[in-house]
Amino acid sequence: EVQLLESGGGLVQPGGSLRLSCAGSGFIFSSYAMSWVRQAPGEGLEWVSGISASSASTYYADSVRGRFTISRDNSKNTLYLQLNSLRAEDTAVYYCAKARITYDNSDYPDYWGQGTLVTVSS
Amino acid sequence: IVLTQSPATLSLSPGERATLSCRASQSVTNYLAWYQQKPGQAPRLLIYDASNRATGIPARFSGSGSGTDFTLTISSLEPEDFAVYYCQQRSNWPITFGQGTRLEIK
Repeated sequence: EVQLLESGGGLVQPGGSLRLSCAGSGFIFSSYAMSWVRQAPGEGLEWVSGISASSASTYYADSVRGRFTISRDNSKNTLYLQLNSLRAEDTAVYYCAKARITYDNSDYPDYWGQGTLVTVSS
Repeated sequence: IVLTQSPATLSLSPGERATLSCRASQSVTNYLAWYQQKPGQAPRLLIYDASNRATGIPARFSGSGSGTDFTLTISSLEPEDFAVYYCQQRSNWPITFGQGTRLEIK
């Protein structure tokens, strides 16, 4: 069974940093592109960032480019998102998601974690 | 690419047919998916590449369209279908989602 478990969310002050993690199991983690999608309270879905299976390619939404960094450690089956220079508008539930098919950097997410809440407030 | 979903809210009764629309600001060919999200849950992939049902999705869900205009149809609404639906394109980076259509019980 595919499982994705996010961690690392919490309350942080504006300008602060957090690192989110997503542990994957039940699939060959190193064969799939992964992504982060967020959802502000009461709002819709916003794609944040994606990374290829090998880490060779990374992609970012304009709203986070230069502040967030996506990475992965295939030896640990773990995806990361480093969040720097956080703003109030970054407050959201952050989901990690697995691509539907192998080695397709932009393929649709078919499995999602339950999300981790990041709150940016003073 | 901006995806615009309509209507924002759709009020229907169980057993009725639901038709949800997603329009892209430029062609996405057929690189469009639909997701369902219920309160407190992660999204669920329903349709990919405009018209292909994802694994385990009931046949009452169908997708159509290409280019800039897409439709998600639910042929006969079940009580568990009342949720928010999002479209998403992967034709161009950055990946984008529509703002969602809330399907509510009338």
